[in-house]
Amino acid sequence: EIVMTQSPATLTVSPGERATLSCRGSQSVSSNLAWYQQKPGRAPRLLIYGASSRATGISVRFSGSGSGTEFTLTISSLQSEDFAVYFCQQYNNWPYTFGQGTKLEIK
Amino acid sequence: QVQLQESGPGLVKPSQTLSLTCTVSGDSFSSGGYYWSWIRQHPGQGLEWLGYTYYSGSSTHYNPSLKSRLTMSVDTSRNQFSLRLRSVTAADTAVYYCARVMFIAAVVDVWGQGTTVTVSS
Repeated sequence: EIVMTQSPATLTVSPGERATLSCRGSQSVSSNLAWYQQKPGRAPRLLIYGASSRATGISVRFSGSGSGTEFTLTISSLQSEDFAVYFCQQYNNWPYTFGQGTKLEIK
Repeated sequence: QVQLQESGPGLVKPSQTLSLTCTVSGDSFSSGGYYWSWIRQHPGQGLEWLGYTYYSGSSTHYNPSLKSRLTMSVDTSRNQFSLRLRSVTAADTAVYYCARVMFIAAVVDVWGQGTTVTVSS
């Protein structure tokens, strides 16, 4: 099973600033990497798939990059609704696995 | 717009079987193009993909960690798919989500709202 490790566990950023979240795989997942956003009491929401393709309706402030084992989610000009938990997910090998999440907090 | 809704008991006794159903509305469950999946989230923790199936039941994949206890099934006449998890323990306490998985990339583009299942006597 591929283990996905996210860092940092918690990221504190001011509104209007940029946030950079990282995700690392225990082995290569090619570009088969997705990012989700989850708010308290809600189901996750797909943001990015294919490492860098935005899902339908997702703001251009969200961008993904990387391949192989190292991936980054960048959120530019943070807005209040962006503060949430973010998960990465690999779908290169079954079972598909998620990272443990990065909590993005308001500074 | 497609919607998914989980249903089933919120409390299950240890050693018993957890049964959940997901009803798909607003879209044709049998139109193809998607897999249908169950994912769970333990309290305050990350997400675990339990398994996924095609509407015809012709292709079903279970997480090896649960394969001996897990069965997924589909009912195309009711636009539903189901999960049965046998011999549950407290470790199976979680929020269970049903989800639609894109063919082009095995990612979830539509989630149910989730249902909390507690395993306790």
